[in-house]
Amino acid sequence: DQQVKQNSPSLSVQEGRISILNCDYTNSMFDYFLWYKKYPAEGPTFLISISSIKDKNEDGRFTVFLNKSAKHLSLHIVPSQPGDSAVYFCAASGVGGATNKLIFGTGTLLAVQP
Amino acid sequence: NAGVTQTPKFQVLKTGQSMTLQCAQDMNHEYMSWYRQDPGMGLRLIHYSVGAGITDQGEVPNGYNVSRSTTEDFPLRLLSAAPSQTSVYFCASRTSNQPQHFGDGTRLSIL
Repeated sequence: DQQVKQNSPSLSVQEGRISILNCDYTNSMFDYFLWYKKYPAEGPTFLISISSIKDKNEDGRFTVFLNKSAKHLSLHIVPSQPGDSAVYFCAASGVGGATNKLIFGTGTLLAVQP
Repeated sequence: NAGVTQTPKFQVLKTGQSMTLQCAQDMNHEYMSWYRQDPGMGLRLIHYSVGAGITDQGEVPNGYNVSRSTTEDFPLRLLSAAPSQTSVYFCASRTSNQPQHFGDGTRLSIL
């Protein structure tokens, strides 16, 4: 049973436009969410996170939105750049922000076209 | 600052062989974890450690052993390799209230 779901395996966006990556979760006990970015042959790199007490967190071009009632979060990248092309993983952890035990989604491959 | 270093980067084993995947971090992080990534399944937690001498199981621990004798090192042992353990293995570390830092992975094939 997949507790964290990324239903779009891939997304293609033009350079300069907005990229929106989506993530749904089923476990209402999750209270901390993270996005990781992964290039081929490298490990995942932390991008941005959000606590369940917030509904938005912004860091430069990256914004994460959390809708707890819908159990949905999204990552917005504005403007998108070719260097953003990578696989993006959504991850969640449980009570108290115990980020040792991350539950990952299956990832979305973002391609930003020049 | 090397961060999280995993060795080897690639390995091919025969069914039944044993091996140890090495993971070392130089950031003095208390917490370390092992994940495996399989096609279409994201990363899944195998084992983790909250400090030297303390380990616990994650989501998919069967067939793997770990130990944490020092803060820096967290090796993952495959006792008797099986084809189902063909995967990419990632080690990660973190300190309190910080996100996990990942190594670049070990790609393991078991024939």
